[in-house]
Amino acid sequence: AQSVTQPDIHITVSEGASLELRCNYSYGATPYLFWYVQSPGQGLQLLLKYFSGDTLVQGIKGFEAEFKRSQSSFNLRKPSVHWSDAAEYFCAVGRAPSGGSYIPTFGRGTSLIVHP
Amino acid sequence: DAGVIQSPRHEVTEMGQEVTLRCKPISGHNSLFWYRQTMMRGLELLIYFNNNVPIDDSGMPEDRFSAKMPNASFSTLKIQPSEPRDSAVYFCASSWTAGGQETQYFGPGTRLLVL
Repeated sequence: AQSVTQPDIHITVSEGASLELRCNYSYGATPYLFWYVQSPGQGLQLLLKYFSGDTLVQGIKGFEAEFKRSQSSFNLRKPSVHWSDAAEYFCAVGRAPSGGSYIPTFGRGTSLIVHP
Repeated sequence: DAGVIQSPRHEVTEMGQEVTLRCKPISGHNSLFWYRQTMMRGLELLIYFNNNVPIDDSGMPEDRFSAKMPNASFSTLKIQPSEPRDSAVYFCASSWTAGGQETQYFGPGTRLLVL
């Protein structure tokens, strides 16, 4: 069965500092990997996704993530955090589809706090 | 595009009552997903429809939960009878499925409180 671990429940950074959110997955085959962001009272918004090809993936809002198969990781990074980035971040791994859409399994999330 | 629309946004009900949550997917999308988010269990997939047909309902907790998709533009998630442990945020998401590499778009969620 697929699973996702986000080791950090909370991360606190200062505005302008760099950010890295960790994600480790467990999956028997080549995974589909995703990062979503959830602002308070809102649904989830896709930041970026990896299906194949280049292991460094660029997303929206200046985020990027790197797929490292040897480490079973898909860490999210941003070089300079803005106060508006404060939110909950979810990593997800998708089971390969069988004639349909991928079925995602989400991590428990990492809450990002940004200090001015 | 209006995005995925869910109603109501908030629902407060008493234990034993029937609750119906509604979802309108993005026009043209052919896959629809219902998720539940709680502090205890995180974000879980309840059921997934493709072309209005339920494909995977293994996440539906028990017989008290049922979901329907009578047409491509509407889906309901019903809880009957409701229990306090059903209190959660329920999300609907939709996508255009084409080889499995599509993006799921989430609605704003329905926050359910069962007293």
